[in-house]
Amino acid sequence: QIHLVQSGAEVKRPGASVKVSCNTSGYTFTNYGVTWVRQAPGQGLEWMGWISGYNGDTKYAQKFQGRVTLTRDTSTSTMYMDLRNLRSDDTAMYYCARGADNGDYVGEYWGQGTLVTVSS
Amino acid sequence: EIVLTQSPGILSLSPGERATLSCRASQRIANNFLAWFQQRPGQAPRLLIFGPSRRATGTPDRFTGSGSGTDFTLTISRLEPEDSAVYYCQQYGDSPWTFGQGTKLEIK
Repeated sequence: QIHLVQSGAEVKRPGASVKVSCNTSGYTFTNYGVTWVRQAPGQGLEWMGWISGYNGDTKYAQKFQGRVTLTRDTSTSTMYMDLRNLRSDDTAMYYCARGADNGDYVGEYWGQGTLVTVSS
Repeated sequence: EIVLTQSPGILSLSPGERATLSCRASQRIANNFLAWFQQRPGQAPRLLIFGPSRRATGTPDRFTGSGSGTDFTLTISRLEPEDSAVYYCQQYGDSPWTFGQGTKLEIK
């Protein structure tokens, strides 16, 4: 079975950084990319970026360029999302999602989400 | 970036009825890479349809995706109480991938 298990909730001060992990299992890690999506309280879904499981290539939403870094660790089949210089409007649920079984990049298998709260 | 506009914003229907949800793109979506997600309160999104008419694993055949270019539709036939959720479309043809603002489906 395919599983994506994310790290636990975080509370951060404005200006700090957060690193969310997404530990994957049940498939060949390097065969699929992972998308990161966030959702502010009561709001819609927002695409942050994508990372290839094969070679670590990345795509980022312009909004987050320079503040977010997606990385991977093939030895532990784990993806990471690092968001810097946090602001109060970064308070959101952050999700990782693996690409579809047929190779499409769309997120078919999702983690449970990680709540990041930014507050002074 | 491609802007996706979903309509209606809220849809209220009875069990057994048919729901038609629309997603219109500001420009043509490459390869018709358009997906539909269902999100129930407190849960992660669930992929229903992608590419734009392929059902994801476990998606009931009551859910049908159609369309091409800039206009796409999710049709849910024979509504059931558990279909109550917010539905999002997403395009993944051109970076940045973008989501629509969502349609809230209420089952009376």
